[in-house]
Amino acid sequence: DAKTTQPTSMDCAEGRAANLPCNHSTISGNEYVYWYRQIHSQGPQYIIHGLKNNETNEMASLIITEDRKSSTLILPHATLRDTAVYYCIVRVAPVGSGGGADGLTFGKGTHLIIQP
Amino acid sequence: KAGVTQTPRYLIKTRGQQVTLSCSPISGHRSVSWYQQTPGQGLQFLFEYFSETQRNKGNFPGRFSGRQFSNSRSEMNVSTLELGDSALYLCASSLDNLNYEQYFGPGTRLTVT
Repeated sequence: DAKTTQPTSMDCAEGRAANLPCNHSTISGNEYVYWYRQIHSQGPQYIIHGLKNNETNEMASLIITEDRKSSTLILPHATLRDTAVYYCIVRVAPVGSGGGADGLTFGKGTHLIIQP
Repeated sequence: KAGVTQTPRYLIKTRGQQVTLSCSPISGHRSVSWYQQTPGQGLQFLFEYFSETQRNKGNFPGRFSGRQFSNSRSEMNVSTLELGDSALYLCASSLDNLNYEQYFGPGTRLTVT
């Protein structure tokens, strides 16, 4: 799986958009970009994932550059509850039925602090 | 829709004992993965079950085992507990085992004394 690089920490004002970058310059054509976050003392939370196109759901938007070497997770209106460590993970989709998923690997991530 | 539930939430055991942790996935989800999280090692993959079969296993000793029932509920067992097994054990469910869109439970905090 391609290695990812994220800033160690970021600050964002409450109510503003939080833009979290991730570099994955060695990504392969069949690797997806996943974003998770973990709020202190809770289990990780799935946010969004994508392959090539930009994606949006009720939580966030994922912007993937045309060359797929980097991506940005956007939280449109950050709240204090969005303070968490955000993880960018690149994984190939598991092999078809029966192959199984061999687990996620979380790196250091970005500690996002939302300031009131 | 109810989320992933794990029981118990907290557990204290003594070295040498064994423990069983339970996980109920989101309704309709058929894949369950287990992870161990410690401050030193971070999140480490234990194993993944789909359709009552273990499909993948992480690099853990045989003392760690699991199973999945026909209703997709899963249990993991740790035998002959060691102090180093103290950790947060997380269960994650997904619709199938064809992607990594996983939904985590709150975890079981195991303390071995």
